[in-house]
Amino acid sequence: AQSVSQHNHHVILSEAASLELGCNYSYGGTVNLFWYVQYPGQHLQLLLKYFSGDPLVKGIKGFEAEFIKSKFSFNLRKPSVQWSDTAEYFCAVKTDSWGKLQFGAGTQVVVTP
Amino acid sequence: ETGVTQSPTHLIKTRGQQVTLRCSSQSGHNTVSWYQQALGQGPQFIFQYYREEENGRGNFPPRFSGLQFPNYSSELNVNALELDDSALYLCASSNRVPYEQYFGPGTRLTVT
Repeated sequence: AQSVSQHNHHVILSEAASLELGCNYSYGGTVNLFWYVQYPGQHLQLLLKYFSGDPLVKGIKGFEAEFIKSKFSFNLRKPSVQWSDTAEYFCAVKTDSWGKLQFGAGTQVVVTP
Repeated sequence: ETGVTQSPTHLIKTRGQQVTLRCSSQSGHNTVSWYQQALGQGPQFIFQYYREEENGRGNFPPRFSGLQFPNYSSELNVNALELDDSALYLCASSNRVPYEQYFGPGTRLTVT
């Protein structure tokens, strides 16, 4: 069965530290990949997406992600986090032509001042 | 541009009852997807509606059903509620191309 794995459930780091969140999926065909963020008290927001082309994609708020097809991975990175990056981050994969998204379990990120 | 809206925000029901949740899609979007997010988990796909027809379904029983209306808004109906149905129910709208789903704030359902 297809699955999406996020390696860390909770991450705590200080402001200005670098962030990397892992995401792996199990599907051998063509995929579209997404990272969503859910800030406290807010709804899910699209952070960035990969459909095709350059495997390094840039999103909002200084986030970027790299698609490595050979590793079935789509890791999220930010060089220097801010307190306002405290949120839950979800990786999602679309494998169907009609658009079902399969989500990982999420990673809760807490940035301390 | 109006985003995705959902109603009600919170709902408390008793086991065995039926519930209807509503979603208005973002303007210009013709596809609506519903997800269930249990506490501490990622959203799980329930089903998707396109052109008023169910266009795909996740691993949910038939007591979860839906509708899409000509204005692309949608309803999620759950019959014979069970305690495990307690969750945040998310609606997302999109177009076929480009495929990006935009989520509403969700409806928090508690079944007692």
